[in-house]
Amino acid sequence: GAVVSQHPSRVICKSGTSVKIECRSLDFQATTMFWYRQFPKQSLMLMATSNEGSKATYEQGVEKDKFLINHASLTLSTLTVTSAHPEDSSFYICSARVGANTEAFFGQGTRLTVV
Amino acid sequence: AQKITQTQPGMFVQEKEAVTLDCTYDTSDPSYGLFWYKQPSSGEMIFLIYQGSYDQQNATEGRYSLNFQKARKSANLVISASQLGDSAMYFCAMREGFRSSNTGKLIFGQGTTLQVKP
Repeated sequence: GAVVSQHPSRVICKSGTSVKIECRSLDFQATTMFWYRQFPKQSLMLMATSNEGSKATYEQGVEKDKFLINHASLTLSTLTVTSAHPEDSSFYICSARVGANTEAFFGQGTRLTVV
Repeated sequence: AQKITQTQPGMFVQEKEAVTLDCTYDTSDPSYGLFWYKQPSSGEMIFLIYQGSYDQQNATEGRYSLNFQKARKSANLVISASQLGDSAMYFCAMREGFRSSNTGKLIFGQGTTLQVKP
């Protein structure tokens, strides 16, 4: 199947700093990527839909100024957590589709810890 | 309203036996897709099986089969001959407007933690 690579897999940062997470589609072009957040033992909650060449569409309740999403190319979307706080500590995972009638392929996820 | 419901927070199954993980959904869109993903402790999401709303037959993929009951809006996952490596969290997900220009975002259920006993 298609490969989605997410980096870094783990990151620890100090409160108040910003962290960038990359999501790359390695062997296909993804016009749309999705960013999810997952707390321990809970479901994946969609944060935003990232569209190549345009602004991301954020889900209700997600602060767009805090979670900056950039989809500058057909193979790369980035999520930047700005001015991170301990409550932002979570598992962030991206996904991308190859086409309309296929399953979504997920990256490996990034475990963010803000100290 | 919850669109995807998994009512079993945790399940146990004996190795080599079959287990059914429940999933019900709610949508008014006649075109949708249902997915099951496995998430081991490492966190990666592993695609298991897919069922389209217009598919006539239940989907099967190796030891995984999907018991699709459209009228009851249920899409239960059946794992046959459980293995120790099947221990993980399992998520049911839905994508609405599958044949439309919808972005295709997935809505996930709460998940079921499956533990396979030796």
